[in-house]
Amino acid sequence: KQEVTQIPAALSVPEGENLVLNCSFTDSAIYNLQWFRQDPGKGLTSLLLIQSSQREQTSGRLNASLDKSSGRSTLYIAASQPGDSATYLCAVSGVDSSYKLIFGSGTRLLVRP
Amino acid sequence: NAGVTQTPKFQVLKTGQSMTLQCAQDMNHEYMSWYRQDPGMGLRLIHYSVGAGITDQGEVPNGYNVSRSTTEDFPLRLLSAAPSQTSVYFCASSYSPGVGTEAFFGQGTRLTVV
Repeated sequence: KQEVTQIPAALSVPEGENLVLNCSFTDSAIYNLQWFRQDPGKGLTSLLLIQSSQREQTSGRLNASLDKSSGRSTLYIAASQPGDSATYLCAVSGVDSSYKLIFGSGTRLLVRP
Repeated sequence: NAGVTQTPKFQVLKTGQSMTLQCAQDMNHEYMSWYRQDPGMGLRLIHYSVGAGITDQGEVPNGYNVSRSTTEDFPLRLLSAAPSQTSVYFCASSYSPGVGTEAFFGQGTRLTVV
């Protein structure tokens, strides 16, 4: 059974720092890994999608990497800003359950001015 | 471009009442699904549909019903609301399951059952 873990559960950093959020999964037979952002009381906003054959994706200050063999993904945020404060979720879709996204419990990020 | 639209945003129900959570997407996506988000439990799949007329159960389907008569709409029905169904409900859509398919989520419906 696929399990997704995100570490740390919470992170507080000063503005301007570069930071890394971690996501690990137990079954490497995945189609995609997707990173989302969730603001308090809001929906999920898709940030980056990495296909199983890809190693990384970039969007602006965000860079996501995927190491399928080790079951790990990282989300790198460069030059963090207070507006980056949110909960970040990773989710995978598996080869044997492509209809379902399996989510981690998220990392709650606070960027202090 | 509206994306995935959910209504209502907030709802309070009494135990035993029924209601329908609405979800509509304008991206011509075949695949739609419903998740619930609970503290400490993450997001869990309730029901999903791979196209009009085709639905199936997810991890936590009990107490919920769905139908898919059009590509655009995928309503979720609570048959007899219970306090355990207090949660935030999200509807999602994607072109299809599989490699390279990005999922898009609605803004959620926050439901309280008293």
